[in-house]
Amino acid sequence: AQKVTQAQTEISVVEKEDVTLDCVYETRDTTYYLFWYKQPPSGELVFLIRRNSFDEQNEISGRYSWNFQKSTSSFNFTITASQVVDSAVYFCALSGSSNTGKLIFGQGTTLQVKP
Amino acid sequence: DAGVIQSPRHEVTEMGQEVTLRCKPISGHDYLFWYRQTMMRGLELLIYFNNNVPIDDSGMPEDRFSAKMPNASFSTLKIQPSEPRDSAVYFCASSYAGEANYGYTFGSGTRLTVV
Repeated sequence: AQKVTQAQTEISVVEKEDVTLDCVYETRDTTYYLFWYKQPPSGELVFLIRRNSFDEQNEISGRYSWNFQKSTSSFNFTITASQVVDSAVYFCALSGSSNTGKLIFGQGTTLQVKP
Repeated sequence: DAGVIQSPRHEVTEMGQEVTLRCKPISGHDYLFWYRQTMMRGLELLIYFNNNVPIDDSGMPEDRFSAKMPNASFSTLKIQPSEPRDSAVYFCASSYAGEANYGYTFGSGTRLTVV
């Protein structure tokens, strides 16, 4: 069975702090894909990143960075110098090779960035 | 491109009434997904289509729920009769074959309230 666990339900930081959102996944597929989505207070789901299981390189996009470690089945997301606009619910998701795009979502982490 | 378009944005209905949610996927996309988001269950896949054909409806909660995709540019999710426990945000998403694991685009969602 496939599963995504985001153990942190809520995180609160002060603006300019760095924050890491944890994501641990379970799958028996050898080929799979991991995603992060952002859901701001307005409610839409915004795609942030996709990573396939063969690419363990970390990725940086502006203040965002992702650390993928197959050895620990983790795909963590770090926001550097957080801003109030980063306040949102962040979802980690998994898609296996046999699922043709079907995403399994974690429960989400609510991030509150205070000014 | 206008993205995935869902209507209505908000729906309030009385228990026992029929509710129809609508979705227009991105032109050229041939996968379409219906998700439901609740506080208790998070984001869960209800059904998805490929080339207008339902592929996996194992997430449809019960016979009161039905989904159709009569053509490549339109899908509906119907609940009949509706119950208060159906209150949730329903998201539609679409993606392109072969890139289904690239992360698909979500619509803005329909917030359904059954009273």
